[in-house]
Formats: sequence, C-alpha cells, structure tokens
Amino acid sequence: EAQVTQNPRYLITVTGKKLTVTCSQNMNHEYMSWYRQDPGLGLRQIYYSMNVEVTDKGDVPEGYKVSRKEKRNFPLILESPSPNQTSLYFCASRNYDYNEQFFGPGTRLTVL
Amino acid sequence: GENVEQHPSTLSVQEGDSAVIKCTYSDSASNYFPWYKQELGKGPQLIIDIRSNVGEKKDQRIAVTLNKTAKHFSLHITETQPEDSAVYFCAASKDGNNRLAFGKGNQVVVIP
Repeated sequence: EAQVTQNPRYLITVTGKKLTVTCSQNMNHEYMSWYRQDPGLGLRQIYYSMNVEVTDKGDVPEGYKVSRKEKRNFPLILESPSPNQTSLYFCASRNYDYNEQFFGPGTRLTVL
Repeated sequence: GENVEQHPSTLSVQEGDSAVIKCTYSDSASNYFPWYKQELGKGPQLIIDIRSNVGEKKDQRIAVTLNKTAKHFSLHITETQPEDSAVYFCAASKDGNNRLAFGKGNQVVVIP
C-alpha cells in the first residue's frame, strides 16, 4: 500500500530534550516536506526537500533541523524542544512531476 | 510570499444542502489550487484541484471554481452527507515554487 508513515504518533517530552520524528514514504517520491498544524493557524511549512541531500527552509524553520540521506526518509529533528513547538506535525511527499501531496497520519508532540 | 485566506471558518449545513467555501490568494502568479479534506485524527487528503488555465472542475458532488481576476477560488459540495463533515483546507502554489501555501482551514459540519 502506497503510504507515508510517521513515528511516533504521540510524544510527550520535556524542554531541551532532543527528539527526532521519523517520516518514510514508499512511493519513490522526490519531494518531501514537513508541516505543523496549530489551531487557528492552519498548516505551515517547516522544511522541504527536493531530493536526496537537497533541503530548504519553509515558512517556520526556526528550532528545527532536517536531513535527507535517503530518498524514502525525511526525519525532523528538534535539538532543544521548547513549549512553543507543541503542535501536530505532518510529513508529506509527492512525485516531482505531479502536484498532489500525500500526507502522513500526523505526530502530536507536547513539550512540557 | 503567497497568502491564502479562507472564509467562513466554520460552516454548518443541513444534510442534503450545498456547502460553499471561498478562498482568496494574494500572488497573481499562483497557478495551482488544491483542496484538501482532513478527517478527525488523520492527515489531509487531496479531494480536488484546479490549475489556472481552467475556470471550473467537477468531480461527482464536488466542484471547484476559479476567478483569476478576483484572485479567489471556491469549493462547492452538493447534496452534503454526514461523511462530508471535516476540516477543508485550500492552498495555492506556482510552478517552479516548491512551497504550497495553505489557508487556515474551514470546519464543515453536516447536520443529519
């Protein structure tokens, strides 16, 4: 089944404790992206990647890092999480030639 | 950058009636306009999209219209059913730009 998977689905952590949210897709998509969803603010792009080793900032990149060492994986790294990063995070991917983005199921992160 | 706004934020309709959600965008160079549906606990899923060379597109009970002059596009759902209850996001982007700008979302509630 073609899909985007994220792990973990739920995470509660404390301020300053480094964490990684993994994202993997099995559709051989070149483009992958991370979004955060907050009430009243909709979906905002954090980082995106056009292909392996090619990443760029989205609208709200502060406090996040990403890497794209393999085509299928695009982990989101929070080196020192803070409470304002409490949010619902979505990973998405698409084929470079097509516009439709496929979203993962989301990761709900709470930073205490 | 592109700014996308959605109205109204919440829409309640009786089952069988029509629902219309309108979005406006700011960048006249944007040429791709998708609509995503997000059900509770899931990631957004593309339901219909339109490109700027087309004024209207229909898929069963769902249609999207685009007015390039006024820079707005609308989602029309006819004969609404309870399973249409969800959050709907509009978005805009332009070719060559890897960033998809989302609106804040509309909560649609279909009352049986």
